Amino acid sequence: GAGVSQSPSNKVTEKGKDVELRCDPISGHTALYWYRQSLGQGLEFLIYFQGNSAPDKSGLPSDRFSAERTGGSVSTLTIQRTQQEDSAVYLCASTFRGREGRVFGPGTRLLVL
Amino acid sequence: GENVEQHPSTLSVQEGDSAVIKCTYSDSASNYFPWYKQELGKGPQLIIDIRSNVGEKKDQRIAVTLNKTAKHFSLHITETQPEDSAVYFCAASNSNDYKLSFGAGTTVTVRA
Repeated sequence: GAGVSQSPSNKVTEKGKDVELRCDPISGHTALYWYRQSLGQGLEFLIYFQGNSAPDKSGLPSDRFSAERTGGSVSTLTIQRTQQEDSAVYLCASTFRGREGRVFGPGTRLLVL
Repeated sequence: GENVEQHPSTLSVQEGDSAVIKCTYSDSASNYFPWYKQELGKGPQLIIDIRSNVGEKKDQRIAVTLNKTAKHFSLHITETQPEDSAVYFCAASNSNDYKLSFGAGTTVTVRA
């Protein structure tokens, strides 16, 4: 596609429920990143996928968070047993390779009640 | 790890004036410094970047300067326009770091 797309754009859920957030990177981009942006804060790195290499999960805040990338394209970020502190904007980005030219999606705004 | 600090957190300027945002970084090995603009309800968009082998880069009304000795870099926007109103983020990384370390952001408001 022309850009990185994310769905849903907004998600309201109840505390304790699981949520799945989806990211469609730019076609041909081998690197994919997930970030979390809390209100008034910078971007917090969550996880990084590069080609067929093992993902870097060092930024995931707890074991309730997991992500996968199928077929080297679409990625899903899953948050289990959501907590109110999980409320944030979750951003996905992709690059052709390496660290430069990162293109961000519009984000998913998650609100946990 | 890298720590990036960004100032000011908010900036209000009159249309036509200049805006300057400053960032400092801690890791002397950092060599890539992008700037992102985030408009309301959208994801961040890369507007300009600089590598450590140059001291300044310009793109129309936007310029970035880098002082490696002092470990700080700045974004300069000249002749500001209402559409420049947004949140701006600086970031830094070294050759082995793909994560990018981001500053906390600066909310720029251009008054008409």
